[in-house]
Order: sequence, then C-alpha cells, then structure tokens
Amino acid sequence: EVQLVESGGGLVKPGGSVRLSCVVSGFTFSSYGMNWVRQAPGMGLEWVALISSGSSYIKYADSVKGRFTISRDNARNSVFLQMNSLRVEDTAVYYCARAGTALPVAFFDYWGQGALVTVSS
Amino acid sequence: DIQMTQSPSSLSASVGDRVTITCRASQGISNYLAWYQQKPGKVPKLLVYAASALQSGVSSRFSGSGSGTDFTLTISSLQPEDVAIYYCQKYDSAPLTFGGGTKVEIK
Repeated sequence: EVQLVESGGGLVKPGGSVRLSCVVSGFTFSSYGMNWVRQAPGMGLEWVALISSGSSYIKYADSVKGRFTISRDNARNSVFLQMNSLRVEDTAVYYCARAGTALPVAFFDYWGQGALVTVSS
Repeated sequence: DIQMTQSPSSLSASVGDRVTITCRASQGISNYLAWYQQKPGKVPKLLVYAASALQSGVSSRFSGSGSGTDFTLTISSLQPEDVAIYYCQKYDSAPLTFGGGTKVEIK
C-alpha cells in the first residue's frame, strides 16, 4: 500500500523557518518525482515545488522561489521542504504528492494527509 | 505563465443529473490535463489524467474530454457521494497550475 506521511508543521512567527518532511512507503521512491502542494484555509490548491527522482530537475512556484527549498533523500525514502522567510500568506496545509509517471512533471496520483503550517505572530 | 480557468465556480444539481464542469487553459496544453476531487475535510483524489484517462478505481460515472485549451469533466449521473470540489490541473510544464475549483452540491 502506498503511503505518504508528512511531519514538521506547526506555528511559526513571520520571518521564521520550518522544515517539512514526507516519508513514503509502498513503492520504489527513487523512481518517482515528488511534489509539494499547499492549500490555504478555505482556498484552492496551489502547487509549490517539484523534484525529479534523482534531484537533477527542480522547479518552484514564483510565490516561494528564493525562500523555499525542496530536497530528497532516496536512501531514507523522504522528501523535504525547507521553508524560510515565512509570511502570513504561507499559512496552509502542505501536502506531499507523488508524480504519476516517470517524468518529473506529471499529475499527482498519491497524496499525503497534509501538514498544517501556521505563520502568525 | 498559463492560467487555468474553471466554470462554473459552483453548481447545484439533483441526484441523477448529468453534470459538466469546464476548464480552459490560456494557452494550448495538448492533453496534459488532470482532474481531482476533494471531498470536505479530505485529501484531493486523482480522477482523470491525460484529459480523458480514468484513474484506476474511479467510478465510470466520471469522464474527461478535451485537448488544447478546452476541457470538460462530466459526471453522468450525480450521486450524493459526489459532493466535493473539483479541480483541474495542467502538467505540460512547470508551474503545475490548478484551476480555481468547482463546488458541486446536491439540490
């Protein structure tokens, strides 16, 4: 069974940092690209970042470029999102999601349960 | 960047009705279009990819069509369990933009 489990969310002050982790199981992690998608309270879905299976291809949404960094550790079946210089508008549930094909840019076929990040003073 | 526009933003229909949701891309994206369903308080679920390919395990009530800039998601016979917000998403290239969502309710 494919599982994705996020952790690391919580309350952080504006300008602060937080690191999200997503540990996966049930598939060969090193063969798939991974993504982070967020959803602000009561709002729609916003793609945040993607990383290819071997970390050679990385892309970010303009709203987080220069502040967020996506990375992965294939030995630990994990993908990470380092979030710096956080703003109130970064408050959201952050989902990790698997790319549905061997290509890094793809639809998302499996999603985690999400981690809530609240940015507030 | 390519923008994704969904319509309507919400709809109310009766059980058994045929429901159609539209997604329009501001530039052509071939068939790199996916549809997701998000039920209240739940994680998004993939319904359709490649514009018309039904994800494994998804009810055959759902179907997708379109190519280029105009796409549709159709629910052939609306059921109570279909109450949700539906999102389209382009994945031809980054950014992987979602549409604004369509909220489907039962009349």
